[in-house]
Amino acid sequence: DIQMTQSPSSLSASVGDRVTITCRASQSISSYLNWYQQKPGKAPKLLIYAASSLQSGVPSRFSGSGSGTDFTLTISSLQPEDFATYYCQQSYSTVRFTFGPGTKVDIK
Amino acid sequence: QVQLVESGGGVVQPGRSLRLSCAASGFTFSSYGMHWVRQAPGKGLEWVAVIWYDGSNKYYADSVKGRFTISRDNSKNTLYLQMNSLRAEDTAVYYCARAVDTAMVTPPYNWFDPWGQGTLVTVSS
Repeated sequence: DIQMTQSPSSLSASVGDRVTITCRASQSISSYLNWYQQKPGKAPKLLIYAASSLQSGVPSRFSGSGSGTDFTLTISSLQPEDFATYYCQQSYSTVRFTFGPGTKVDIK
Repeated sequence: QVQLVESGGGVVQPGRSLRLSCAASGFTFSSYGMHWVRQAPGKGLEWVAVIWYDGSNKYYADSVKGRFTISRDNSKNTLYLQMNSLRAEDTAVYYCARAVDTAMVTPPYNWFDPWGQGTLVTVSS
């Protein structure tokens, strides 16, 4: 199975900060990588698909990059509503989908 | 608008069974694959199972294979998860999610969107 790791596992940041989260796959997954945001008590929400495509309705301060095994999610200017947990997910294997362990972004 | 609503969660004893449902609306249900994803309390997301748009193919996580069965009734716009031989470690919020893909490449890029609000399953004696 394809394993996903994320770093850091948590971070503290201030409103207006630039935030970068890294996701790594255990093997090459081309651009089959998605990012989700989850707020406490809520369902996950799709932010980025195919590594760098912004989902409709998602603010442009969110961006994704990478291919192969290394990927990043960047929030260019952190807003109060962005404090949440972020998960990467590989869709290269269509019979075994895996998520990263998550990165919690909280207020400094 | 596109909506997914799960139901059927509750408290169940170890070894017993439970069936979850996911009612879909706002889109052509029979044209989309569907997933179940779970989240244990305070933990991350774990993919559970997927079923193709016509029910012809189903795949499971190793942790539930042989115990859980995913199915769908396209005439009722409803997805199901039959959970048998439940264990304490199956305690989680269970989400259904639509499988979306694009034919930009082969195989197509695919992702989960949207997700339902989740239903809590607690396995405890």
